[in-house]
Amino acid sequence: DTTVKQNPRYKLARVGKPVNLICSQTMNHDTMYWYQKKPNQAPKLLLFYYDKILNREADTFEKFQSSRPNNSFCSLYIGSAGLEYSAMYLCASSRLGGYYAEQFFGPGTRLTVL
Amino acid sequence: QQKVQQSPESLSVPEGGMASFNCTSSDRNFQYFWWYRQHSGEGPKALMSIFSDGDKKEGRFTAHLNKASLHVSLHIRDSQPSDSALYFCAAQANYGNEKITFGAGTKLTIKP
Repeated sequence: DTTVKQNPRYKLARVGKPVNLICSQTMNHDTMYWYQKKPNQAPKLLLFYYDKILNREADTFEKFQSSRPNNSFCSLYIGSAGLEYSAMYLCASSRLGGYYAEQFFGPGTRLTVL
Repeated sequence: QQKVQQSPESLSVPEGGMASFNCTSSDRNFQYFWWYRQHSGEGPKALMSIFSDGDKKEGRFTAHLNKASLHVSLHIRDSQPSDSALYFCAAQANYGNEKITFGAGTKLTIKP
């Protein structure tokens, strides 16, 4: 089974409110990633976990939080949503720390902030 | 500036025809490339990787890498309606890195 699941598939949030997105995988992959995808733009890496170690990109460091309570689950947390957070959020996982390894993606969560 | 540039932005090919995509990296550290495909309503799925100079063929798909120019291409022969999708090029650093950097994608439409 090479499935990565994401919940919810669609999320409507109000400006200033928190948002929590969930991702799960059953492939026992050691690395899990979160990307932000806006129309006509490349998927942008926000952060990733290698095992229990969180790595956040420098330009999104303060905007997103994450937790990985166990190997299978990973969350993405936005403390106070702004209009600019409206996007598709893609979760992915890979093995071997992602070194030259395929990333498996979930279907995404479409977040709309109003 | 994007480190991974793709062209064209969109492409329309008749069924049975050849579809070709281009990708260039502006970072000489990025010498390992992937092609991902995303169908509507789904997440991206890896099509193939290419890490060495030359051609790599997998079924109807052929990738070509020129490390000197940091240029990679993907060719789909005998295009099928199911090939209609968004195609992403992604590059990975040669020093071993968990991260890959995506291009903005090429939207392929196969006309029946």
